[in-house]
Amino acid sequence: QSALTQPPSASGTPGQRVTISCSGGSSDIGKNPVNWFRQLPGTAPKLLIYSNDQRPSGVPDRFSASKSATSASLAISGLQSEDEADYYCSTWDDSLNAPYVFGTGTTVTVL
Amino acid sequence: EEQLVESGGKLVQPGGSLRLSCAASEFTFSSYWMHWVRQAPGTGLVWVSRISPDGGAATYADSVRGRFTVSRDNAKKTSSLQMTNLRLDDTAVYFCVREGGYDSNYKFYGMDVWGQGTTVTV
Repeated sequence: QSALTQPPSASGTPGQRVTISCSGGSSDIGKNPVNWFRQLPGTAPKLLIYSNDQRPSGVPDRFSASKSATSASLAISGLQSEDEADYYCSTWDDSLNAPYVFGTGTTVTVL
Repeated sequence: EEQLVESGGKLVQPGGSLRLSCAASEFTFSSYWMHWVRQAPGTGLVWVSRISPDGGAATYADSVRGRFTVSRDNAKKTSSLQMTNLRLDDTAVYFCVREGGYDSNYKFYGMDVWGQGTTVTV
């Protein structure tokens, strides 16, 4: 069960824009929608983006995402201190018996 | 508010067994696939298992297949994860997660509701 590849860390100052990448392959991101989750320290992950670029109700439009071929990305605009968290991409994998894979995770730090 | 609450996590010896439970509320539990996801200390999320709405189909990660069994009781709105022959690397927080359906634009929600997690230490 191979994880999707994310950079281990990203950072920015308040108000800046931060982008997180998520790299996969033809059997996972290449074929299936991508979700993004945010995990604050000591808490459960929370759905941030579903189906590549859709925001659930209550998620501010500072968060946006996109997908192209076998990669996806999450952008946080107007960075705020409360955005300090771990961010994970995820999708389905058609090639394995374990159908669901997560990214390796990216820790966002607000400087 | 749609909610999932896990329980059953504790300290167990290697080779031991443990049963985790997940109680659902405020949604039609019997309509959804349910998953278990775990997170070892200081590491990322790893998918463990899922079960179909009627309980007739279950899938497991290679690392737990043959040792873990997922089940559900739709009348009680609960899902369970029976873990046997536990190993040191099973130590993790275990999350119960709902696989949501489709929104009004037929976009798939994927894993949309998460429990708070229960800690298993082997």
